[in-house]
Amino acid sequence: AQSVTQLGSHVSVSEGALVLLRCNYSSSVPPYLFWYVQYPNQGLQLLLKYTTGATLVKGINGFEAEFKKSETSFHLTKPSAHMSDAAEYFCAVSERGSYGKLTFGQGTILTVHP
Amino acid sequence: GAVVSQHPSRVICKSGTSVKIECRSLDFQATTMFWYRQFPKQSLMLMATSNEGSKATYEQGVEKDKFLINHASLTLSTLTVTSAHPEDSSFYICSAKEVRMNTEAFFGQGTRLTVV
Repeated sequence: AQSVTQLGSHVSVSEGALVLLRCNYSSSVPPYLFWYVQYPNQGLQLLLKYTTGATLVKGINGFEAEFKKSETSFHLTKPSAHMSDAAEYFCAVSERGSYGKLTFGQGTILTVHP
Repeated sequence: GAVVSQHPSRVICKSGTSVKIECRSLDFQATTMFWYRQFPKQSLMLMATSNEGSKATYEQGVEKDKFLINHASLTLSTLTVTSAHPEDSSFYICSAKEVRMNTEAFFGQGTRLTVV
């Protein structure tokens, strides 16, 4: 069975500071990996995904994540936080070949201070 | 492209009544749709996988007689919460997977259900 752990349910940064949201997964084989963002009372928007190929993945809004197999991690980063980045972020995995059926982490609420 | 519309966005119903939530893929055909539930301040949990023209597959612990799922066409899946109770109050989100693109599924906007 797969599982996803997001370290830190709340992360607070200053505007312009580095954003780092941590995600570790547990799976018998490397899964597909995703980061989603959710604004209050809204659905999920895909930020980026890793399925194969280059391990450093660039997504929308300046976010990127790196798949590290040895560390079973897929941490999300952004060099400079913007106020509009304040939201909840979910890391998710799916089995290879089982697109769409996702196991989510607990979520991390990102707060950005002026 | 790849737009999923979920309706209604918010619904309040009385305890004991049933509520239907629709999930539509607007510009693509979805062979598979997924229904998730998100309790306040918690993560999303998969409830069931819905395949067009066949019975839904429910996750362990999800009552199939309480959460009726129908996927009668390639663009529409519905979730009916039967005999709703306050503990069913939650945020329900669907996602749909396109036929041709074997990649991620696309999410609807979600439905906030409040049972009073």
